[in-house]
Amino acid sequence: GQSLEQPSEVTAVEGAIVQINCTYQTSGFYGLSWYQQHDGGAPTFLSYNALDGLEETGRFSSFLSRSDSYGYLLLQELQMKDSASYFCAVRDRGTGFQKLVFGTGTRLLVSP
Amino acid sequence: GAVVSQHPSWVICKSGTSVKIECRSLDFQATTMFWYRQFPKQSLMLMATSNEGSKATYEQGVEKDKFLINHASLTLSTLTVTSAHPEDSSFYICSASTGTMGTQYFGPGTRLLVL
Repeated sequence: GQSLEQPSEVTAVEGAIVQINCTYQTSGFYGLSWYQQHDGGAPTFLSYNALDGLEETGRFSSFLSRSDSYGYLLLQELQMKDSASYFCAVRDRGTGFQKLVFGTGTRLLVSP
Repeated sequence: GAVVSQHPSWVICKSGTSVKIECRSLDFQATTMFWYRQFPKQSLMLMATSNEGSKATYEQGVEKDKFLINHASLTLSTLTVTSAHPEDSSFYICSASTGTMGTQYFGPGTRLLVL
């Protein structure tokens, strides 16, 4: 089976930098994705890492180390609107389809 | 582009009734659609994967006779919760993909409350 572990909650202030870690155990690994979900809303795609290293998209960056089965999402210049839940997800092939297995989720609280 | 809609956005029903939730890809053809369930403060759990014109593939522990999935066209998949019970109350989210390796685009979700 697969498992992805994340811290349950992270708090930070506006303008700060925060890192959300994700460790995973899975077979047939094809990449690590990150999603943001505001309360009551649907997940929105943030980033995807197929290879080791850092991917930068504006204020958000994502890192992957396949040898360590580890990745993180880095959020810079935090804004109040960044308060949300963040999920890492593994693209894992199963029964011929590209399934997403989601992590436990990290609730980010940004305060003034 | 890549917009996915769900209908209804929320539904309240009596225990024992059936509820149908629609998932539509509005501006692309979705060969594969996924259905997830999310309980409060928990992660998304994949329920099933469906390919257009094929039977859905259910995850372990998901009752296929209770959660009927139909993917009749490249833009529409439906999830029917049959004989719903209060424990089925949850947030149901679909996603659509243009292929097995494609990015999944998520719908806005349907909140189901069974009384």
